[in-house]
Amino acid sequence: GAVVSQHPSRVICKSGTSVKIECRSLDFQATTMFWYRQFPKKSLMLMATSNEGSKATYEQGVEKDKFLINHASLTLSTLTVTSAHPEDSSFYICSARDLEGRQVADTQYFGPGTRLTVL
Amino acid sequence: GESVGLHLPTLSVQEGDNSIINCAYSNSASDYFIWYKQESGKGPQFIIDIRSNMDKRQGQRVTVLLNKTVKHLSLQIAATQPGDSAVYFCAETATDSWGKLQFGAGTQVVVTP
Repeated sequence: GAVVSQHPSRVICKSGTSVKIECRSLDFQATTMFWYRQFPKKSLMLMATSNEGSKATYEQGVEKDKFLINHASLTLSTLTVTSAHPEDSSFYICSARDLEGRQVADTQYFGPGTRLTVL
Repeated sequence: GESVGLHLPTLSVQEGDNSIINCAYSNSASDYFIWYKQESGKGPQFIIDIRSNMDKRQGQRVTVLLNKTVKHLSLQIAATQPGDSAVYFCAETATDSWGKLQFGAGTQVVVTP
């Protein structure tokens, strides 16, 4: 099956620093990747849609200058949390969609998540 | 046991019993639905999906039922096992939303021996 990896799995940083999280599709090409944020005991909240070769589309209320997304290749998307603050502490999860031969609305494969703690 | 909608976020089930997890979705334009299982500290894991042209779909020990009339989705787990303990999310999307998933609030399933 399709595998999505994330790196790092956990990161602790000081307030004011920037943190980059990588999302990779390991055995398929993903023209579209999604970034989610999840607070404890809560559901996943879509932050943005990352399309290879174009600018990311952000959901309402998500600051694009705060959460920089770069979809550099068909297998890699990165999320950079800039000038991190304690309220940015959360579980960040990416997903990738394999469009090869499939319809638009199809299965998304999720990464294992990255736990960000901002001190 | 049965969890109704989003008002009972925790479902306690005895090992060996069947579980039913319910989900009410909001968008009448949604035409694709997925159930995910999430264990603590991990990403969601795909369980089963169903398209709007179907009412029922079965997998290994799992069955998804879709009632478009009342916008209701359910996941049935047969012979629940300790490894089934997790949070279960339903997700919906529409063909014209380019794969953007809307997740439900989730149901915590606790399997007791």
